[in-house]
Amino acid sequence: SQKIEQNSEALNIQEGKTATLTCNYTNYSPAYLQWYRQDPGRGPVFLLLIRENEKEKRKERLKVTFDTTLKQSLFHITASQPADSATYLCALEIDSGYALNFGKGTSLLVTP
Amino acid sequence: DTGVSQNPRHKITKRGQNVTFRCDPISEHNRLYWYRQTLGQGPEFLTYFQNEAQLEKSRLLSDRFSAERPKGSFSTLEIQRTEQGDSAMYLCATGTSGYSDTQYFGPGTRLTVL
Repeated sequence: SQKIEQNSEALNIQEGKTATLTCNYTNYSPAYLQWYRQDPGRGPVFLLLIRENEKEKRKERLKVTFDTTLKQSLFHITASQPADSATYLCALEIDSGYALNFGKGTSLLVTP
Repeated sequence: DTGVSQNPRHKITKRGQNVTFRCDPISEHNRLYWYRQTLGQGPEFLTYFQNEAQLEKSRLLSDRFSAERPKGSFSTLEIQRTEQGDSAMYLCATGTSGYSDTQYFGPGTRLTVL
């Protein structure tokens, strides 16, 4: 069956450091992979999409890598800030291609 | 604010009652999705509309669940004979047809079944 695995434990880092979150998947051949941010009690917010033919994508302090051989994506936040504290979700399209399957998310806490 | 609105934001009901949630999408978005999310989990896909046509339903969507999207605009999700296991956040997301499936989520409706 298709699985998306993200670090189950919360990630605590100090302000200014780089946060790295991992998303691993099995039994997928995705055309793209997406990352979302979710704050408590709110809906997810789209951050970045990376396609299968792209190795890396950047947006401001965010960087995503996508290794289809390892079946892994890494999500980096550089110069992290307390405002970056949230849960980050990795998502891949379901078999039919109509909707998304999400990982459980990784909780990030950035302390001053 | 993504432009997707959901009402109500919170709903408390007794087991066995029926509930209905509404989602108003971004106006130019023809795709609409419903997801369910429980604590500590990512959103789980329930159903998908393209315009007014319901094109896919997850096996999670039992017979007690029904969704509509009349005229391809707003959508409603109804749960009949609610059970305590239905307690969750119900999320609506919208998007446009295209090469990718970026989705814009509403704030969700938190359902508590007593």
